Amino acid sequence: GDSVTQMEGPVTLSEEAFLTINCTYTATGYPSLFWYVQYPGEGLQLLLKATKADDKGSNKGFEATYRKETTSFHLEKGSVQVSDSAVYFCALKGDYGGSQGNLIFGKGTKLSVKP
Amino acid sequence: EAQVTQNPRYLITVTGKKLTVTCSQNMNHEYMSWYRQDPGLGLRQIYYSMNVEVTDKGDVPEGYKVSRKEKRNFPLILESPSPNQTSLYFCASSRSPRRGAGDEKLFFGSGTQLSVL
Repeated sequence: GDSVTQMEGPVTLSEEAFLTINCTYTATGYPSLFWYVQYPGEGLQLLLKATKADDKGSNKGFEATYRKETTSFHLEKGSVQVSDSAVYFCALKGDYGGSQGNLIFGKGTKLSVKP
Repeated sequence: EAQVTQNPRYLITVTGKKLTVTCSQNMNHEYMSWYRQDPGLGLRQIYYSMNVEVTDKGDVPEGYKVSRKEKRNFPLILESPSPNQTSLYFCASSRSPRRGAGDEKLFFGSGTQLSVL
């Protein structure tokens, strides 16, 4: 079945460092891909998404490119801030003909950014 | 304000005592879902609902029940809670889960931390 694998954390960076969180997926067809973020004490919220190959999703300085050839959707940010400290989830929604396209989440990667 | 509201935020109970966690959304969303979040396991889906009176099992449905009598509400029921159901629970909703429907974004509640002693 469909699955998402993301790098295990925790990841600790200094402010202004470059961030990469790896995410690879297994799915048939052309799934939609997402990054969700969970700030401390809150529910998840959508950070960015891409719905077809070579699409780049971006938001709040974060970017991720849908790479069909490597089945990847790595999250990047050029300069992280303390306020980016959160848990990041990669997710996919399968390319089904019917209506059962539930989101499948990775296990999450905790990011801590130190001043 | 568009939101998904879960109650309670925190709950401590004892084994076997029936409980209900409520979930309500004010966005007229068709799709609603319950997840549990556990360290090292990420988010796992418990049950979901495609619309009123339409519910289905997710990956970890054992020990849980749900109902969808109205579009806005999707309560999670634990008939006889056990300690292995201690977890952080999230309710979520979206306009439609169907691919290409144009709005696949999931809105999450703030979570319910449940402890079963």
